[in-house]
This record gives sequence, C-alpha cells and structure tokens, in this order.
Amino acid sequence: LAKTTQPISMDSYEGQEVNITCSHNNIATNDYITWYQQFPSQGPRFIIQGYKTKVTNEVASLFIPADRKSSTLSLPRVSLSDTAVYYCLVGDGGDYGQNFVFGPGTRLSVLP
Amino acid sequence: DGGITQSPKYLFRKEGQNVTLSCEQNLNHDAMYWYRQDPGQGLRLIYYSQIVNDFQKGDIAEGYSVSREKKESFPLTVTSAQKNPTAFYLCASSKRDGQPQHFGDGTRLSIL
Repeated sequence: LAKTTQPISMDSYEGQEVNITCSHNNIATNDYITWYQQFPSQGPRFIIQGYKTKVTNEVASLFIPADRKSSTLSLPRVSLSDTAVYYCLVGDGGDYGQNFVFGPGTRLSVLP
Repeated sequence: DGGITQSPKYLFRKEGQNVTLSCEQNLNHDAMYWYRQDPGQGLRLIYYSQIVNDFQKGDIAEGYSVSREKKESFPLTVTSAQKNPTAFYLCASSKRDGQPQHFGDGTRLSIL
C-alpha cells in the first residue's frame, strides 16, 4: 500500500499560483495518482488523476517526475473559494478499495 | 442529474441503538464505499463493495454492517457495538474499483 506524505497546511493569497507536493516513495508500477478537494461538511470532490509527466484539466495541473516518487498539484490563480483540504492518493484499486488511503491532507487557506 | 444521495444529513443515536445510514447512487457504478471522518482527520474506509451481494471489510469495520442487495444502494448500519460512533460518514461510488470516486454530501451522526 503506497503511503503518501503531504504538508499539513499552506497559506496563499488570492491570484497566486499554489503548488502542493505529495511524496509517495514506494509507488508501484500500476499505481495512479489522484487528487481530491474537500470543503467543510461535504464529501471530497475529484480534481485530477495522472500516471506520468503532466496532466491538465480546466481547474488544475498535475506534474509527475520521471521517477514518480512525488507529484505536484498546481492550482493557477487561486481564489478564496479554493480554501479547502486537498488529498493525494496513490493506488490502482487492485485489491478492491484497500489501495486508496486518505491521509490527513493539506489544508489550504487562501487569504484576501 | 446523476449522483450519490445520502440520508439523513444529521442523525442522532441513543445508547444501545442501531441506526442505518442510507446511500443511493444513480451513476450505474459497480463499486461503492463507506468512509468515516473524524474532526481534522482524513477518511478511513469502513466497508466496500465491488458487485451486488458482495462486500469486504475496510480498516475499521468493527461495530458496522452493510448490505448490497441492489446495485444502486449500499446502506450502512452503525450497531450498538460501535462504542464511539460520533463522526461524519461519507458514501462513495466509482465505475469500478480504482476509478475516481464520487462522494455524497455525508451524514453527521451524534450520540444523545
């Protein structure tokens, strides 16, 4: 089971780019990297998923180096509404759900 | 609109009582999951199910039970054996195990 390590918290200001890095040193060959966002009293929401190099969608980018031992979620020009907890997960679901472990996540606070 | 519906949003349990949390999805997803979240913590997996009439224990299954009689429904019963049931409970589904999960808005359970 690939364990992930993220910073517990981060602060940023509106309009800045935010990069949250996740370490996963024992990532397996078949593992994907998935990021979720969670607001208070709501369920997590899927942001982005990748396997290698770079993935971009309408809300974020995910950078994965060649060794895949870490990944960086990039949020361009954050706003106050991006204040949330961000979770990095690594796994392929091969063991039916047991491969996905939600750690404490990174609490991002966006300041005006 | 497709999605996951959890009910009720708030639930109160008396000592020694069993309570059942509802989770329904109309996404035609095969896999469904139950998580528990305590304040300031990540999500912990209680039970998961890949197909109808089959489910597996997660990391913290003691004091909980589930059923999967229909593809759309995955109710969770918090039994009186669960000594510390106060938490935020989240249900999720995915097309198959390993795919990004879609979450409901949760049920907050408290003890009277």
